[in-house]
Amino acid sequence: GAVVSQHPSRVICKSGTSVKIECRSLDFQATTMFWYRQFPKQSLMLMATSNEGSKATYEQGVEKDKFLINHASLTLSTLTVTSAHPEDSSFYICSASAGSGYTFGSGTRLTVV
Amino acid sequence: SQQGEEDPQALSIQEGENATMNCSYKTSINNLQWYRQNSGRGLVHLILIRSNEREKHSGRLRVTLDTSKKSSSLLITASRAADTASYFCAPDNTNAGKSTFGDGTTLTVKP
Repeated sequence: GAVVSQHPSRVICKSGTSVKIECRSLDFQATTMFWYRQFPKQSLMLMATSNEGSKATYEQGVEKDKFLINHASLTLSTLTVTSAHPEDSSFYICSASAGSGYTFGSGTRLTVV
Repeated sequence: SQQGEEDPQALSIQEGENATMNCSYKTSINNLQWYRQNSGRGLVHLILIRSNEREKHSGRLRVTLDTSKKSSSLLITASRAADTASYFCAPDNTNAGKSTFGDGTTLTVKP
């Protein structure tokens, strides 16, 4: 079945630094990938839609200059959290569709200290 | 994580009518969530219902949960053309992981 690989699974960084999260579709091509954020005990919240070869579409309230998305190939999308602050600590998840249903990556637990 | 199965696969109604879609799952859950996806967009969270709840309302949405039957339903009342979308359920999806959504229910609301 379709597999989405997300890396790293866990990262701790200092406040003010940037962190890059990768999302790869392993056995299918994904022109569109989605990035979600999940705070503790809350649901997944869609942050942005990543489009291969073009600019990402951000949801209302999501700062595009802070959450940089690059979708340079049909199998890779990256999310960079720039100048991270403790309030950015969260669980970040990507997903992609292989045609039938959506597959989620295993998520990245970001802790900003 | 497990996959929810939505039913029907497709539903077409007139504006103003109610739309009901169902979700079934296989193992016990802590909660169940419903999502909507407009064409070409990501999933948008609609509502979460916990295993100790039987019914929950949010605006025009009403969700029920029957843990004995391992099923849930989503009712959209007084539907609007803007409700046209695909709807997915996600049993116990709080950690996402490698869960995979089903094909969802494609709802078409005709003006």
